[in-house]
Amino acid sequence: DSGVTQTPKHLITATGQRVTLRCSPRSGDLSVYWYQQSLDQGLQFLIQYYNGEERAKGNILERFSAQQFPDLHSELNLSSLELGDSALYFCASSVDSGFYEQYFGPGTRLTVT
Amino acid sequence: EDQVTQSPEALRLQEGESSSLNCSYTVSGLRGLFWYRQDPGKGPEFLFTLYSAGEEKEKERLKATLTKKESFLHITAPKPEDSATYLCAVQAGGGTSYGKLTFGQGTILTVHP
Repeated sequence: DSGVTQTPKHLITATGQRVTLRCSPRSGDLSVYWYQQSLDQGLQFLIQYYNGEERAKGNILERFSAQQFPDLHSELNLSSLELGDSALYFCASSVDSGFYEQYFGPGTRLTVT
Repeated sequence: EDQVTQSPEALRLQEGESSSLNCSYTVSGLRGLFWYRQDPGKGPEFLFTLYSAGEEKEKERLKATLTKKESFLHITAPKPEDSATYLCAVQAGGGTSYGKLTFGQGTILTVHP
């Protein structure tokens, strides 16, 4: 158990809908990262927050957004969902921003039908 | 653009048969190379961080090494419970992708009893 929690574990929704994925980092970690894992693309970095502020951005779609709250939990919002958004979404956390190992949560499996 | 290539894609071993997994990388200013283990449907589990060429780290039957262009994960006398996907990731220095990990596609290891 990495100490990172994610909810929900599974999510099934229809095209065009909007969902919110939630992540709580390990106790004491200030940085949160979101990754998407699909069979054809592998693990892809989406976005990083550090102590409430956006720190780095990957190939995150405009339909996706994220935020980190004062209690350091983070939410990833996915809107206008398409079939191709079906994937595993992982949250990771690290003690600080920059060059530290990242600990991953168990993931949320999103299925868009 | 940072790139990570892992080989082989899949590896089947008999219990006790030692072998190595390869991770080749191209990155501008390597700050860290990370190895993770991932079981099906679960989040990646952190194994090692290597920071500079010549560095080695060990954990039970696993040993990771780093050169200027690649990293190896050596598995000595593997057991069936070592079966998993092993992921390699790199972190580049600074810029707008500060905390981003770039992952390879992984090596699926199967150890038969």
